[in-house]
Parts: sequence; C-alpha cells; structure tokens
Amino acid sequence: AQRVTQPEKLLSVFKGAPVELKCNYSYSGSPELFWYVQYSRQRLQLLLRHISRESIKGFTADLNKGETSFHLKKPFAQEEDSAMYYCALSGPNTGNQFYFGTGTSLTVIP
Amino acid sequence: DAGVTQSPTHLIKTRGQHVTLRCSPISGHKSVSWYQQVLGQGPQFIFQYYEKEERGRGNFPDRFSARQFPNYSSELNVNALLLGDSALYLCASSGETVVTDTQYFGPGTRLTVL
Repeated sequence: AQRVTQPEKLLSVFKGAPVELKCNYSYSGSPELFWYVQYSRQRLQLLLRHISRESIKGFTADLNKGETSFHLKKPFAQEEDSAMYYCALSGPNTGNQFYFGTGTSLTVIP
Repeated sequence: DAGVTQSPTHLIKTRGQHVTLRCSPISGHKSVSWYQQVLGQGPQFIFQYYEKEERGRGNFPDRFSARQFPNYSSELNVNALLLGDSALYLCASSGETVVTDTQYFGPGTRLTVL
C-alpha cells in the first residue's frame, strides 16, 4: 500500500542553521513525489516536485529510491520558512490517488 | 483570477443531515480533486474528477459522492453525516490529473457536525 511518513510533527531550528525535513514513502514502482507548504493564513501550495529537479526558495529534495526517502533540505533557514510542510506522493500505481503525509511544522527561531 | 474558490467558508450541521460543498477551479483547469483534512493530519484524498468523469477515489464510504459540471466546477456531497465527518474540506484544481500535475488549493470549507 502507498504511504507517506513524516516522522517529525514539530521541528525548530535557529535562523541560519541547516534544516532537513524527513519524508519516507512506500510505493511499488517509480513514484511522483512532491513537497507542499502552507504558510500562516495562506493556502496549501506546491513547493517543489522531484520530477522538475529545481530549487525553490533555497529548498532542494533528492529522491533516494534505495532508502525510499525524499527529504527536504535547506542550508540556511530563514524566518519566513516557518510553515507547515507536507510530503506527498502519487504515481501510475496509485489509481489516480494522491497521498499526503501528516506534515511537519517548522519553526525558525530568530 | 481569484484562484480556486470554495463555498461556503464554514458550515454547521447535525448528525444524519446531508451537506453539499462547492468548488470553482482556476479558469482553464479541467481537473478537480477533493480532500478531507482532520485537525492534526495531512489532507486525505477523497475524489478526483477530470473532464466530468471520476478518475480517482480514495478510501471513503459511499456516503461521500461528487460530481463535476460542464464548466468544470464541482460539488462534494456527504450524506448521513457523522461526528467524524467534522473536518476542513479542501478542493484543488489542476490542468491535468493529480498524478503529475501541480495542484492549486482553495481555502477550504470548515464543516462542523454536532
């Protein structure tokens, strides 16, 4: 069964420190993986997707099929990065479904 | 474009009643998906509609149904409401299917079942 696991519900880092939000998945085949973000009082929005392999707002995520992980990383956290982050998965074997993890709330301490 | 719009914003119902939630996608988007988000959890996929046809269904009971209209707007219907149906219901639109395309989310409808 498809599943997305985000082991940390809460994560706090100091401004300027590196940040890593963990995401592990289970999927038979080649998944499509995404990170969505929700800033305070804003809508859920796409941050990045592995297929485009681009860096958004300094964040990157690498798909590691061996470890079935898609961790989100940023070398220097900024206060405006404080938000709720959701890892998500889809793919041809999901029956056109879309799976979100439970989310990680990131707080960047000034 | 105002983005994805949803109505109503908030709704209070009692157990056993039914509810209809509405969603208007971004202009030009043909796909609408519905999600249920219970407090403290990530959004759970309910349905995807593309070109007025159901293309994906999550693990929800038959009390949940949806449809998409010729203008690509969509309704989510929930019958025989239970207390556990209390949640934020999110609608998302995309140009194509959810499998690969970016989804644009609405602000949600907060449903409270008493």
